[in-house]
Amino acid sequence: AIQMTQSPSSLSASVGDRVTITCRASQGIRNDLGWYQQKPGKAPKLLIYTASTLQSGVPSRFSGSGSGTDFTLTISSLQPEDFATYYCLQDYNYPLTFGGGTKVEIK
Amino acid sequence: EVQLVESGGGLVQPGGPLRLSCAASGFTFSDYHMDWVRQAPGKGLEWVGRSKSKARSYTTEYAASVKGRVTISRDGSRNSLYLQMNSLKTEDTAVYYCARVMSDGHFDAFDIWGQGTMVTVSS
Repeated sequence: AIQMTQSPSSLSASVGDRVTITCRASQGIRNDLGWYQQKPGKAPKLLIYTASTLQSGVPSRFSGSGSGTDFTLTISSLQPEDFATYYCLQDYNYPLTFGGGTKVEIK
Repeated sequence: EVQLVESGGGLVQPGGPLRLSCAASGFTFSDYHMDWVRQAPGKGLEWVGRSKSKARSYTTEYAASVKGRVTISRDGSRNSLYLQMNSLKTEDTAVYYCARVMSDGHFDAFDIWGQGTMVTVSS
């Protein structure tokens, strides 16, 4: 199974900060990667698919990049509603695998 | 409104069975792959398995951790997805989500999620 390694596992940031989360695949996965946001007690929400395509309705401050093994989720200006846990997911092959998550907390 | 609603969670003894349901509405159920994803308390997300669309003959895929113990099926007449779990272990304790797979054949993404149903395996 492809392993997805996310970093950092947590970070503290302030409103307005630029935040970057990375995800590394144990083998090349083309651009078959998505990013999800999860708030406590809620289901995850799709932010980005195919590594860089913004899901409809998601604010443009979210962006994704990367291909092959290294991927990045960037929040250009952190907003209060962005404090959450973020997960990457590879859909290159079965079994689908998630990264371990990055918890974004208020500094 | 596109919606997924899970049900069937609860407390079950180790070794026992449990069947979860996911009722879909607002879209053509047979056109979509449907997945189960779980999350143990305080832990990350884990993909459980998939029921592919009618175009893919409703074939299934499973995670290694559950293969042989779970069966994913669907009832098109009820627009429902099911997760039959047998020989449950304490490590199967989790919130179980069903999710719709947005796909064009080149990518998959979970665009719609249910609210989740909690399964607790304990004696």
